[in-house]
Amino acid sequence: DIQMTQSPSSLSASVGDRVTITCRASQGISNSLAWYQQKPGKAPKLLLYAASRLESGVPSRFSGSGSGTDYTLTISSLQPEDFATYYCQQFYRTPPTFGQGTKLEIK
Amino acid sequence: EVQLLESGGGLVQPGGSLRLSCAASGFTFSSYDMNWVRQAPGKGLEWVSSISGNGGRSDYADSVKGRFTISRDNSKNTLYLQMNSLRAEDTAIYYCAKVPHGAMATGYFDYWGQGTLVTVSS
Repeated sequence: DIQMTQSPSSLSASVGDRVTITCRASQGISNSLAWYQQKPGKAPKLLLYAASRLESGVPSRFSGSGSGTDYTLTISSLQPEDFATYYCQQFYRTPPTFGQGTKLEIK
Repeated sequence: EVQLLESGGGLVQPGGSLRLSCAASGFTFSSYDMNWVRQAPGKGLEWVSSISGNGGRSDYADSVKGRFTISRDNSKNTLYLQMNSLRAEDTAIYYCAKVPHGAMATGYFDYWGQGTLVTVSS
């Protein structure tokens, strides 16, 4: 199975900050990467797919980049509603696998 | 509006069985591959199983292979997960999740249900 490693595991930031979360795959995944946001007690919500394509309805302050094994999620200017846990997921090979999550907290 | 509504969770003893359902609406159910993804309390996400739109192909995580069976009834717009020989480590919230058109069955997930909690304990 492809292992996905996110960093950091947790992050404290303030409203208006620019934040970057990193996801590293154990082998190349050819941009077959999705990012999700999950708030407490809620289901995950798709933010980006194919590494950099924004899902419909997701604010443009979210962006994704990367290639090969290394990918990033960037939030350009944190809003209060962005404090949540973020997961990356590879879909290059079955089984699809997720990173362990990055909890974004208010500083 | 796409809606996925899971049901069937509950408390079950180790070795027991449970069947989860996911009622879908707001899209042509038979045209989309569907998945189950679970999340143990306070933990991350784990893919469980997928099934093609016509039900002809399915895949399973090694952790549930031989114990869980995914199926669907396209006439009822409903996805199922039959869980047998349940273990304590199967305790989790189980989400059904839809795959976008054109993505592989075990691709990424554009819509998720609200989840149903399965607790395996004596």
